[in-house]
Amino acid sequence: DAKTTQPPSMDCAEGRAANLPCNHSTISGNEYVYWYRQIHSQGPQYIIHGLKNNETNEMASLIITEDRKSSTLILPHATLRDTAVYYCIVRPANSGYALNFGKGTSLLVTP
Amino acid sequence: KAGVTQTPRYLIKTRGQQVTLSCSPISGHRSVSWYQQTPGQGLQFLFEYFSETQRNKGNFPGRFSGRQFSNSRSEMNVSTLELGDSALYLCASSSLADTDTQYFGPGTRLTVL
Repeated sequence: DAKTTQPPSMDCAEGRAANLPCNHSTISGNEYVYWYRQIHSQGPQYIIHGLKNNETNEMASLIITEDRKSSTLILPHATLRDTAVYYCIVRPANSGYALNFGKGTSLLVTP
Repeated sequence: KAGVTQTPRYLIKTRGQQVTLSCSPISGHRSVSWYQQTPGQGLQFLFEYFSETQRNKGNFPGRFSGRQFSNSRSEMNVSTLELGDSALYLCASSSLADTDTQYFGPGTRLTVL
């Protein structure tokens, strides 16, 4: 699986958009970008994934650059409940069950 | 439908003892994966079971083992506990059609004294 780099921590004001970056400069053509998050003391939660097109669901939007070497997870209107560690994972689809979570970005949403 | 459930939620053991943790996947999910989470190492993959067979295994010693039953429920066992085994143990289930969307349980917090 390609290596990812994320900032260790970020802050965001409640109601504002939270933009979480992920660098994956060694990504291969068949590798997807997945995002999970883990709220304190809970199990990780799947958010979204994409290959090369931008994706949106009820939780977030995923913007992948044209060269696919980086991506941004966007929480359009962050709430206090979005405070969590966000993990960017790059891997081929259906390549197995072992997710490599890395260290992630700790997002703090403040009132 | 009900999510992934894990029992017990909290457990305290002493060094040298063994422990068994249980996981019930989402109904219809036949794959169960186990992860260990510690402050120092983060989330690490332990093993994955499908149809009562272990298909993938992470880099953990043989003291860590697991099994899966015909109803897809899974257990993991840690023998001869060490202080370093103190961790949050997470179970995740997924469907055959989408292995990358894993649904995690709340975890079992194991403390080894």
